[in-house]
Amino acid sequence: EVQLVETGGGLIHLGGSRRLSCEVSGFSISNNYMNWVRQAPGKGLEWLSVIYSAGSTFYADSVKGRFTISKDNSKNTLYLQLNDLRADDTAVYYCASVYCTSGSCYIDYWGQGVLVTVSA
Amino acid sequence: SYVLTQPPSVSAAPGKTARITCGTPTIGTTGVHWYQQKPGQAPTLVICLDTERPSGIPERFSGSNSGNTATLTISRVEVGDEADYYCQVWDSRSDHWVFGGGTKLTVL
Repeated sequence: EVQLVETGGGLIHLGGSRRLSCEVSGFSISNNYMNWVRQAPGKGLEWLSVIYSAGSTFYADSVKGRFTISKDNSKNTLYLQLNDLRADDTAVYYCASVYCTSGSCYIDYWGQGVLVTVSA
Repeated sequence: SYVLTQPPSVSAAPGKTARITCGTPTIGTTGVHWYQQKPGQAPTLVICLDTERPSGIPERFSGSNSGNTATLTISRVEVGDEADYYCQVWDSRSDHWVFGGGTKLTVL
């Protein structure tokens, strides 16, 4: 059974930092592309970042330079380092696994999400 | 880059058909995927690659994609289908994932 479990959320002060973790079971992240997606309260889904199996990374403009995606294949764990946090970073953060075929990519599994609240 | 436009809300009576659109120029040239999200839950995939249903998704869910519009169609709508629905594409030129703004389906 595939499971993605995010941890590390909580209340963080403006300008602060936090590292989110996503422990994966049921498949090896070394062979998979992995995403982070967030959802602000009452808002839609916002893609944040991807890390490909070989380690290359890409970011949404809204978080580029502040957030860093990484992974530890030996621990089968995905990370998202959040720096210089702003109030509008308050959201539920989801990790997600990606499947690519026929020239397109989509998310096949989602974690349950972890809430990050940024406050003064 | 893509900007995907969805109607904020759609309603349908039980047993009727609901159609949720996702629009952007030339969307018909790329694969579109649809997710269902119920309150307090993570999204789940209901349609991938324009028309394919993942295992466990009822046949009542179908998709199409042509020209400037992709459409998620839910036939014989049930109360349990009430949720937010999001379309998504992958922009291969930038390696970015793009979501539509989401559509709230209300079952009357």
